[in-house]
Parts: sequence; C-alpha cells; structure tokens
Amino acid sequence: EAQVTQNPRYLITVTGKKLTVTCSQNMNHEYMSWYRQDPGLGLRQIYYSMNVEVTDKGDVPEGYKVSRKEKRNFPLILESPSPNQTSLYFCASSLLAGQSEQFFGPGTRLTVL
Amino acid sequence: GQQLNQSPQSMFIQEGEDVSMNCTSSSIFNTWLWYKQEPGEGPVLLIALYKAGELTSNGRLTAQFGITRKDSFLNISASIPSDVGIYFCAGRAGTYKYIFGTGTRLKVLA
Repeated sequence: EAQVTQNPRYLITVTGKKLTVTCSQNMNHEYMSWYRQDPGLGLRQIYYSMNVEVTDKGDVPEGYKVSRKEKRNFPLILESPSPNQTSLYFCASSLLAGQSEQFFGPGTRLTVL
Repeated sequence: GQQLNQSPQSMFIQEGEDVSMNCTSSSIFNTWLWYKQEPGEGPVLLIALYKAGELTSNGRLTAQFGITRKDSFLNISASIPSDVGIYFCAGRAGTYKYIFGTGTRLKVLA
C-alpha cells in the first residue's frame, strides 16, 4: 500500500532532550516536506527536500534540522526541544517537486514539557 | 511566516445547504490547492487550480482560482454529514514552498 509513515505517533518529552521524528514513504517520491499544525495557525512548512541531499528552509525552520540521505526517508530532528515546539507534525511527499498531489502522513503529536 | 487569510473560521450548516469559503493573500500564487482534513488524519487534496480564472469541479465541490492570483474560493453544494472536517486552502509560491490557510471547520447538522 502506497503511504507515508511517521514515528512515533505520540511523544511527550522534556525541554532540551534531543529527539527525532522519522518519516518514510514507499512511493519513490522525490519531494518531501515537514509541516507543523497549531490551532488557529493552520499548517506551516518547516523544511522541504527536493531530492536526496537537497533540502531548504520553509517558513518556520528555527529549532529544527532535517536530513535526506536516502530518497524514502526524511527525518525531523529537534536538537534541543522547547515548549513552543509542542505541536502536531505532518510529513508529506509528492512524486516531483512542484507537483500538487502531496500525500500526508498520519501526524505526530509532540508535547514538550 | 507568511499565511493565507481563510474565512470563515468555522461554520455550522444544515444538511443539504450549500457552503462557500475563501482564501485571500497579499502575494501572488501560481497554484491554489484545497485540502480536507478529518480528525486524526493528515490533509487530503480535493482540488488543484493552476491558472488564473480557472474553475474546477470535483463532484459536489467547485473551486476557482481568482483572476488577481491572490484569492480562491471553494463551494460545496448540497452538503452531507460526511463533509464534516477542516478545509484548508494552500498556495504554492515558486516551485517548492507551500503556504497554508488557517482552515475552515465545517460542521453539518443532520
């Protein structure tokens, strides 16, 4: 089944403890992206990747890192999480950069205490 | 960061009524997209618009790309209970960046 998977789905952590949220797609998509969703703010793009080893900042990249060593994986890294990073995170992918059909993962709900 | 103004924020409607929502931006976009999100899931693409003035339908849904390229609207005709969810507009700036609206929460009263 074609899908975007994220792990973990739920995470509660403490300020400053490094964490990684994984994202994987099995559709051979070139473009992958991370978003955060907050009440009243909709989805905001954190980082995106046009292909392996090619990444760029979205609208809200501060406090996040990403890497794209393989086509299928696009992990989101929080080196030193803070409470203002408590949010619902979505990974998405599309076949080509600029193609509209983005497939979204199920989301990761992160709470930073 | 940049955001789109989406309205209304939420709406209650009776089953069978038509629904209209819109998005406006201070920037020009080359693509407008409309997504629906149901509880516990990621957004799913409903309609994509690629040219100013374009009017596109998907079943009971109709969306238009504004002539100025700074706005778009989505209409849902004859709403049914399964239309419940959050509807997001999104604009593509350039090739790689997407800007999402703040969402319209739709609730349908049977």
